[in-house]
Amino acid sequence: DQQVKQNSPSLSVQEGRISILNCDYTNSMFDYFLWYKKYPAEGPTFLISISSIKDKNEDGRFTVFLNKSAKHLSLHIVPSQPGDSAVYFCAASAANTDKLIFGTGTRLQVFP
Amino acid sequence: EADIYQTPRYLVIGTGKKITLECSQTMGHDKMYWYQQDPGMELHLIHYSYGVNSTEKGDLSSESTVSRIRTEHFPLTLESARPSHTSQYLCASRKGLGTYEQYFGPGTRLTVT
Repeated sequence: DQQVKQNSPSLSVQEGRISILNCDYTNSMFDYFLWYKKYPAEGPTFLISISSIKDKNEDGRFTVFLNKSAKHLSLHIVPSQPGDSAVYFCAASAANTDKLIFGTGTRLQVFP
Repeated sequence: EADIYQTPRYLVIGTGKKITLECSQTMGHDKMYWYQQDPGMELHLIHYSYGVNSTEKGDLSSESTVSRIRTEHFPLTLESARPSHTSQYLCASRKGLGTYEQYFGPGTRLTVT
């Protein structure tokens, strides 16, 4: 049973536009959420995170939104750049655990 | 940016061979993790460690074993490699209490023929 779901395996966006990547979760005990970016043949790189006490966190071009009632979070990238082309993983953690539960990833392609 | 290293980056090996995948971090992090990832799939936790002489199995059953004799070193061993072990293996570390972010190494792409 997958607790973290990324239902869109791929997304294609034009350079300069907004990219919106979505993530849903089922475990109401999750209280911390993270986004990672992964290039081929490399390890994931931490991008941005959000605690369940917040509904928005922003870092430069990246903003994460959390809707706890819907058990949904999203990552907004604006403006999108060709270098943003990668696989993006959503991850979640429950309080007092040391584990991250990952989604299956969304492949973002930003074209000129 | 975290300093965590994995060797080898790529390994092609025959069935039945013993292999050790190396992972080292220079940040003094207590917590370390091994994940297995297949293309298009999520990362699955196979082992983790809270510190020296501490190792636990993860959520995904694995025939591999790990050891943690030194804080900075967390190697993973497969006693007898099989084609089903073909995958990418990712090592990560985390500072500890109050932070959830894990920092990943570049991974080892293992192919067992």
